[in-house]
Amino acid sequence: SQQGEEDPQALSIQEGENATMNCSYKTSINNLQWYRQNSGRGLVHLILIRSNEREKHSGRLRVTLDTSKKSSSLLITASRAADTASYFCATGPGTYKYIFGTGTRLKVLA
Amino acid sequence: AAGVIQSPRHLIKEKRETATLKCYPIPRHDTVYWYQQGPGQDPQFLISFYEKMQSDKGSIPDRFSAQQFSDYHSELNMSSLELGDSALYFCASSLGQGVDTQYFGPGTRLTVL
Repeated sequence: SQQGEEDPQALSIQEGENATMNCSYKTSINNLQWYRQNSGRGLVHLILIRSNEREKHSGRLRVTLDTSKKSSSLLITASRAADTASYFCATGPGTYKYIFGTGTRLKVLA
Repeated sequence: AAGVIQSPRHLIKEKRETATLKCYPIPRHDTVYWYQQGPGQDPQFLISFYEKMQSDKGSIPDRFSAQQFSDYHSELNMSSLELGDSALYFCASSLGQGVDTQYFGPGTRLTVL
């Protein structure tokens, strides 16, 4: 079974709106990372948040982590058409591997 | 800044053939990870290496093997290829023992005919 489950699986919004994606996981983690993937291309690292952190910002991105609920959220503010991509969370339950969730497909309409 | 390099970027093979994928991590990164991503699927962890030793193993078929060399580059060897092996294969690297950011390469798209 998947360690990380993203919610929603697909999201369609208008340019300028905010997009929120959620990730839930099952086991304890060392850290959680969010990645973006454009169709059929490489994974681009967005943010890493450690298990002792609750919130992190990077530009238009805001990530929260709630270890008590085993969940994380990624907020993209003022979305742009170029933000259209799939977004994955990856959890580091162990030292050497990360387990990816199923991803949220975001479509930003111009 | 230097990124993770993977070669080849595209590879077409016939069933039952062998393929070798190469990964060159970011300079000074000592940990390499391999992932497989099937069409429309999320990346699945295959195997990882730290300081040239296998550090963790995921859903890697017995037909696949991998190693990390003294210069920290890694190779994924895939034998007796099957149609279901067609996927994007990503390599990622990080510095230190797995608590740091993984940086992904562009991937190798393997097509098995």
